[in-house]
Amino acid sequence: EAQVTQNPRYLITVTGKKLTVTCSQNMNHEYMSWYRQDPGLGLRQIYYSMNVEVTDKGDVPEGYKVSRKEKRNFPLILESPSPNQTSLYFCASSGDQGFWTDTQYFGPGTRLTVL
Amino acid sequence: AQKVTQAQTEISVVEKEDVTLDCVYETRDTTYYLFWYKQPPSGELVFLIRRNSFDEQNEISGRYSWNFQKSTSSFNFTITASQVVDSAVYFCALSEATQGAQKLVFGQGTRLTINP
Repeated sequence: EAQVTQNPRYLITVTGKKLTVTCSQNMNHEYMSWYRQDPGLGLRQIYYSMNVEVTDKGDVPEGYKVSRKEKRNFPLILESPSPNQTSLYFCASSGDQGFWTDTQYFGPGTRLTVL
Repeated sequence: AQKVTQAQTEISVVEKEDVTLDCVYETRDTTYYLFWYKQPPSGELVFLIRRNSFDEQNEISGRYSWNFQKSTSSFNFTITASQVVDSAVYFCALSEATQGAQKLVFGQGTRLTINP
């Protein structure tokens, strides 16, 4: 089954404690993205990646890092989380034409709370 | 800069009513793509439709239809004979050609509640 998986699904942590949210897709997709969803703001793109070792900033990259060492994985790293990073995070992937022509598939979401 | 506005924060209708969700966008590009996504109560995001700026034909898919009007920079979504299963948050999104095929800007979302 084609899918994007994220782990963990729920996480409560404290300010300053480094964390990683993993994202993996089994569709051999080149493109992957991270979004955060906040009430009243919709979804905002954090980072995206066009292929292995190629990443770029979205609209809200501050406080986040990503890496793309393998095609299937695109982890989101919060080196020093702060309460304003409390949010619902989605990972997504799409094929080599990007979502202009290919469907973008989303993971189930990770709800992060930073105390 | 690209921007998407969904002015309707919440809509509540009775089942079988028709309902239209508004989406207004801003862009300086002549080439761009518009999208609608659905987020049901279970939380996942589901792709509904994609439309490029050169294709102003309206689209109909079952009870769903989309009206794209470049003159008013709008890409509205209508559900005919709504059903309880249509209850969800709906997002409109925009991708500009100059920003690349991976940058996407979403509207704030419209929470649609269909009451039995």
